[in-house]
Amino acid sequence: GNSVTQMEGPVTLSEEAFLTINCTYTATGYPSLFWYVQYPGEGLQLLLKATKADDKGSNKGFEATYRKETTSFHLEKGSVQVSDSAVYFCALSDLGDRGSTLGRLYFGRGTQLTVWP
Amino acid sequence: KAGVTQTPRYLIKTRGQQVTLSCSPISGHRSVSWYQQTPGQGLQFLFEYFSETQRNKGNFPGRFSGRQFSNSRSEMNVSTLELGDSALYLCASSRLGGGHNEQFFGPGTRLTVL
Repeated sequence: GNSVTQMEGPVTLSEEAFLTINCTYTATGYPSLFWYVQYPGEGLQLLLKATKADDKGSNKGFEATYRKETTSFHLEKGSVQVSDSAVYFCALSDLGDRGSTLGRLYFGRGTQLTVWP
Repeated sequence: KAGVTQTPRYLIKTRGQQVTLSCSPISGHRSVSWYQQTPGQGLQFLFEYFSETQRNKGNFPGRFSGRQFSNSRSEMNVSTLELGDSALYLCASSRLGGGHNEQFFGPGTRLTVL
């Protein structure tokens, strides 16, 4: 089946520190991979995505590379800011057979990031 | 372009009651998905509607149901509420539905069952 495992939080960093949040997945077909971010009291916002192996998604200084050989999609940022404090979710959507529309999102448990000034 | 809207934002009900939540997708989006978010279970998929048809369903009891209207707006209903139904219910819309298509989430409806 399909599943996502991401590192347990919470993660606490000082401003300008390097961030890595690990994410690994299991998929039966051809997954697309996503990172979503949730700020307090809000819904989820798409941070970045990658739709095939070796693709790199990037946005707002965050990056993640789709590694099929290690079934991973780790999130990184070189220098975090206080405003990056949020919960980060790794997710996959598995089309299964090509042309199928079964693209529900499977989420990891989320990683709480707190950045101190 | 307006985002996904959900109403109401907060709801308090008692056990045994039923509740209806509403979701208005982004204009032009035909797919609406619903997710339940709880501290214990995380984000769990409820169902997806596309062009008024339920196309995909998660592993929830029959007390959870939904529908989609011709304007793509969607409602979900929970009957005979249980304490464990307390959660944040998130709606997401996309142009064609999952897969490579980006899903845009609403702010959620916080349901508390007393």
